Amino acid sequence: EAGVAQSPRYKIIEKRQSVAFWCNPISGHATLYWYQQILGQGPKLLIQFQNNGVVDDSQLPKDRFSAERLKGVDSTLKIQPAKLEDSAVYLCASSTGEETYGYTFGSGTRLTVV
Amino acid sequence: QKEVEQDPGPLSVPEGAIVSLNCTYSNSAFQYFMWYRQYSRKGPELLMYTYSSGNKEDGRFTAQVDKSSKYISLFIRDSQPSDSATYLCAPLGGSEKLVFGKGTKLTVNP
Repeated sequence: EAGVAQSPRYKIIEKRQSVAFWCNPISGHATLYWYQQILGQGPKLLIQFQNNGVVDDSQLPKDRFSAERLKGVDSTLKIQPAKLEDSAVYLCASSTGEETYGYTFGSGTRLTVV
Repeated sequence: QKEVEQDPGPLSVPEGAIVSLNCTYSNSAFQYFMWYRQYSRKGPELLMYTYSSGNKEDGRFTAQVDKSSKYISLFIRDSQPSDSATYLCAPLGGSEKLVFGKGTKLTVNP
């Protein structure tokens, strides 16, 4: 079974620029998550999709972050404009929704804002 | 109070040692408790999970949950250098959302 694919692996941008991350979940996984992991901290949920729809985006800074999941498969997360504090690893995860299986995470995109 | 508290360490032990990793949580509604392992520059991977209170063993790893005290533990027996990683406790909240602790960085020295 192929894992969760994310790209790019690394990105360096200047503050106030925009950036986009892409995620391809495991085939058949209805639920997709974007997490932000700041260095030295645990992942923090930004947004959760169930198929095409948003289940929870309460911690997404909507003035600068946006996310979409087209056709219930791939997803993109965008930041515009970026701030220094957005430097983090952005992790995508997917799940079947069966609680006992947990999530499968991608390797993440490491963003550095300078 | 944060939903999940975890001592970030770092923790350094000799090979063969027994390791104890711990978390506390505040939400009594949590029923599933996951432990994830995260190697450097990789995403977290599910190590094991426990449902409600009790113990679960998988090889050298034992997960323990005490819901009365809201305390989660992971024990590693006969620790190996390959166990060096960050360990994240993560109770499962509503709508299948994982709530992560900060993670404990473990180094096992040969």
